[in-house]
Amino acid sequence: QKEVEQDPGPLSVPEGAIVSLNCTYSNSAFQYFMWYRQYSRKGPELLMYTYSSGNKEDGRFTAQVDKSSKYISLFIRDSQPSDSATYLCAMTGNTPLVFGKGTRLSVIA
Amino acid sequence: NAGVTQTPKFQVLKTGQSMTLQCAQDMNHNSMYWYRQDPGMGLRLIYYSASEGTTDKGEVPNGYNVSRLNKREFSLRLESAAPSQTSVYFCASRDRGTDTQYFGPGTRLTVL
Repeated sequence: QKEVEQDPGPLSVPEGAIVSLNCTYSNSAFQYFMWYRQYSRKGPELLMYTYSSGNKEDGRFTAQVDKSSKYISLFIRDSQPSDSATYLCAMTGNTPLVFGKGTRLSVIA
Repeated sequence: NAGVTQTPKFQVLKTGQSMTLQCAQDMNHNSMYWYRQDPGMGLRLIYYSASEGTTDKGEVPNGYNVSRLNKREFSLRLESAAPSQTSVYFCASRDRGTDTQYFGPGTRLTVL
């Protein structure tokens, strides 16, 4: 079993839709959870960061962590064409970051 | 504040040639990382340096060497390039306080 599993998509949604992106993991030592956004031909950029369980909201983005289920989510409300990118989850427990393989999202105007 | 910078942006090599990818960060981070990204494989860690003077192997170190020149700079060397090393290479540095990494823009390497 891989440490972090993420559905690669692609996921295509109409503009204004609510998007749900998810990752599951197996290592219970993970404490820090991140979402990165990567536009085509660019480096990943940090989008959201959460420590341990709970929710964190930043504008149209909400990150959720459920450590009991080893499941993390990123919700995007009122999705825009500019949200079209690959989204990578990442997590660590004082080790080098472990990344999911990324989900490619397209938001269609 | 440039963040993480990488040179070159693009490179084409012939099999057997050598080259060094350069990375520098101006955020005073202790830890730095080299990744490669291939379609369907995600980001894979090649080497990392937890602090100046130390380096450690990651998931895919074979065929690569690294040098942590000082706190700012971390270079990746391919001694004898192979077509399997065709990839996009990313350097990153880590903010210890939040455990998050900041990435450079990448180097697209093609080995013929």
